Amino acid sequence: SQQGEEDPQALSIQEGENATMNCSYKTSINNLQWYRQNSGRGLVHLILIRSNEREKHSGRLRVTLDTSKKSSSLLITASRAADTASYFCASGGQNTGFQKLVFGTGTRLLVSP
Amino acid sequence: DGGITQSPKYLFRKEGQNVTLSCEQNLNHDAMYWYRQDPGQGLRLIYYSQIVNDFQKGDIAEGYSVSREKKESFPLTVTSAQKNPTAFYLCASNFGYEQFFGPGTRLTVL
Repeated sequence: SQQGEEDPQALSIQEGENATMNCSYKTSINNLQWYRQNSGRGLVHLILIRSNEREKHSGRLRVTLDTSKKSSSLLITASRAADTASYFCASGGQNTGFQKLVFGTGTRLLVSP
Repeated sequence: DGGITQSPKYLFRKEGQNVTLSCEQNLNHDAMYWYRQDPGQGLRLIYYSQIVNDFQKGDIAEGYSVSREKKESFPLTVTSAQKNPTAFYLCASNFGYEQFFGPGTRLTVL
C-alpha cells in the first residue's frame, strides 16, 4: 500500500496542552498537506507545506517537513476542546492544479476540558 | 453558498443491488475525486476526473464506476461486484493544491 502512516493513532490531552502528531510518507513529493475531520464529516484543509520548505506556521498550527526522512509533523499549540477531531496528512506529487493525494491513516485527537 | 454537496447522507443497500451516490459542486473546479474511508482508516482513492468526459481509476476502483458528463457532477455507482461496500464515501474537488470535501455518504449493505 502507498498509504502514509501517522503516529500516534490516538492522542488524549488536556486543554491548554500542545499536541504533536507525526506523518511518514513513501514516495517523493511536491507538497504535504494536513486535513482535519470531525466525526462523520468531510475533511477540511488546514495547511500545506511545499517540498522546498522546512517549517510553516498558521495561527496555532506549526508544520515541519523533513524530506530526507520522508516525514512531517503537525503541532497544535494551546489546544482547545474544539480541536477534538481526526487529523490526516496527505502527500501530493504534482506541481499542478491536479492533485492526486495519498492520505495517511490519521491521528485521533481528544482534548478534554 | 459555494461548496460540494453529496446525497444521500445515509444509504442502505441490499446485497446484489447497484446504488449511485451523488456529488455536485458549484466551485467551478475541473478536478473531482471519490474516496472511500473505512473505520479508523485514512482515505483511499477510488476514481478521479481531471476534466469533463475523462476519468481514471484510482487505487481501489474494482466494483465501482463513475461518469463525468458535466463539470459540476461526478456520480459514483457502487456495483454488485464490490464485495465489501459498507464504508463512508467522500467526494472532493480542487483547482489549486487544496482539496475541498463534501459531507460524505455512509453506505451500509444489509
